[in-house]
Amino acid sequence: GAVVSQHPSRVICKSGTSVKIECRSLDFQATTMFWYRQFPKQSLMLMATSNEGSKATYEQGVEKDKFLINHASLTLSTLTVTSAHPEDSSFYICSARDGPFAFGSGTRLTVV
Amino acid sequence: GIQVEQSPPDLILQEGANSTLRCNFSDSVNNLQWFHQNPWGQLINLFYIPSGTKQNGRLSATTVATERYSLLYISSSQTTDSGVYFCASWPVGGTSYGKLTFGQGTILTVHP
Repeated sequence: GAVVSQHPSRVICKSGTSVKIECRSLDFQATTMFWYRQFPKQSLMLMATSNEGSKATYEQGVEKDKFLINHASLTLSTLTVTSAHPEDSSFYICSARDGPFAFGSGTRLTVV
Repeated sequence: GIQVEQSPPDLILQEGANSTLRCNFSDSVNNLQWFHQNPWGQLINLFYIPSGTKQNGRLSATTVATERYSLLYISSSQTTDSGVYFCASWPVGGTSYGKLTFGQGTILTVHP
């Protein structure tokens, strides 16, 4: 089945700095990838849809200037959390589909 | 958009017991998946099951699309089955094409 790789798995950063998370489709090409955020003991919430070669589509309430998405190739999408603050601490997960959806292993971001 | 509801929210079992998890969805959907999120956050695809019945070892799933529900059966549960089980659906077409909507999940705890 489709495999999605996500890095890093865990990152701790200082307030005000930026953090980049990578999502790769390993055995298929993905023109579209999806970024989710998950708070403790809650479900996954879609943040944005990443489109290869064009602008990302953000869900209502998601700040596009804070969560920069780049989908420069058919196998790579990146999410950059800019000027991170403690309230941005969360679990971020990417996904793509080649038939069924596959998910990356997630990135646990802690902003101190 | 699609609404997805799961029940029960929590389930505690003794090892060896059987269980049934339910997923109701609000609209006629053409795609549905069941996932298991392990304690490290990884989402594992269990079934892609828009309709019908599938089995994989001790797990099986049934979706009755006309009645807008899906069931996940776990037989002879093991401690490694513990975690959160999510169902998620997405429409075939329209502006929300490809966007997964997750239920709130069922937290399963299996005691030895």
